[in-house]
Amino acid sequence: SYVLTQPPSVSVAPGKTATISCEGNNIGRKSVHWYQLKPGRAPVLVIYYDKDRPSGIPERFSASNSGNTATLTIRRVEAGDEADYYCQVWDTSSDQRYVFGPGTRVTV
Amino acid sequence: EVQLVESGGGLQRPGGSLRLSCAVSGFNFSDHSMHWVRQAPGKGLEWISFISTRSSVTHYADSVKGRFTISRDNAHDSLYLQMNSLRVEDTAVYFCARDYGGNFLDYWGQGTLVAVSS
Repeated sequence: SYVLTQPPSVSVAPGKTATISCEGNNIGRKSVHWYQLKPGRAPVLVIYYDKDRPSGIPERFSASNSGNTATLTIRRVEAGDEADYYCQVWDTSSDQRYVFGPGTRVTV
Repeated sequence: EVQLVESGGGLQRPGGSLRLSCAVSGFNFSDHSMHWVRQAPGKGLEWISFISTRSSVTHYADSVKGRFTISRDNAHDSLYLQMNSLRVEDTAVYFCARDYGGNFLDYWGQGTLVAVSS
């Protein structure tokens, strides 16, 4: 099955930029989606189809996808952005179709 | 407003059974495929099951195949997960989520905790 790799943690100062990578074999050929998880809260979709933001997600959140790496970027980081972030792809080559990365803890 | 509310979690012995429910509102339930996803303590998200709009297609993760059954009742805007032969490693928060285009999950519930322990 398809495997995604993320760094376990990223630390960023308020007002700075956080960059979270998601690596997978030829991931640039797939659509990548990103979710934000906070303890006790419903997960939130923050990016879909590589770079699109759902309504209500600040423009500070952006993303890209090329080659073997997809990237989520959070600019002007705020304390409220502290959370776990997961990338996800739809793997049509496997019966385990909805694949999540291991997650990255963003600490502000 | 789209809402998904899970229920039915609790403590169960290994080998036991539980049935989770997910009540939805704020959208036309019968138009959307649905998922169950779980997060074990200290672990990441794990997708476990998918069901199409009319229940004609279901998929399961290998970790639950043959033990868990996903179902839905479109008349009552509800999604279910029947969990049999529970194992300690099934301990997790279980989320229901709405499918978008068979590609990603656009709305999620807050989850219900399932604990399997002797």
